[in-house]
Amino acid sequence: SSELTQDPAVSVALGQTVRITCQGDSLRSYYASWYQQKPGQAPVLVIYGKNNRPSGIPDRFSGSSSGNTASLTITGAQAEDEADYYCNSRDSSGNHLGGVFGGGTKLTVL
Amino acid sequence: EVQLVESGGGLVQPGGSLRLSCAASGFTVSSNYMSWVRQAPGKGLEWVSVIYSGGSTYYADSVKGRFTISRHNSKNTLYLQMNSLRAEDTAVYYCARFADYGNTADAFDIWGQGTMVTVSS
Repeated sequence: SSELTQDPAVSVALGQTVRITCQGDSLRSYYASWYQQKPGQAPVLVIYGKNNRPSGIPDRFSGSSSGNTASLTITGAQAEDEADYYCNSRDSSGNHLGGVFGGGTKLTVL
Repeated sequence: EVQLVESGGGLVQPGGSLRLSCAASGFTVSSNYMSWVRQAPGKGLEWVSVIYSGGSTYYADSVKGRFTISRHNSKNTLYLQMNSLRAEDTAVYYCARFADYGNTADAFDIWGQGTMVTVSS
């Protein structure tokens, strides 16, 4: 099985732009999806596919991908964006849908 | 309203069994890919298992041979039968719908609120 690597922690000043990255071999073949998780709550899908946001997700969230790296960008970070963020992709074999999560990035908004 | 509600968590001794349930509303479980994802206390997310709409099932190596995913179509409910439980299975267990958007894009688009499983003597 493949692995997805994320920085454990990232910080951003209120109103500034931050990029959270996710690296892994499977990302060369499959898009990543991104999840926001606040303490004591279930994860929430924020980005999927090339750069798609589910209904209700603010347009300050965007996604991109290059080679083996997927990125989640928050443009104009808000205090309510402080949370853990996880990337997810298929196993590199493609057989086990939804099989691999990154270790998560704790985002602090200063 | 599209919703998933888990139940069945609790305290169980090592070696014991537990069955988790996940009741869906607003969509049909059997027409979708459905998964279980868990999160140990203070840790990240770990995919556990998936059942395809066609009935095929897959498991993480850490639970293979001990856990069984299934569904009851008329009850529109997903299950996770957990046997031979270990301390390292202690986690919040989430059920989630897995949406395949095509073109190598997919995602867990709906999540339940989670149910806590504690394996301890």
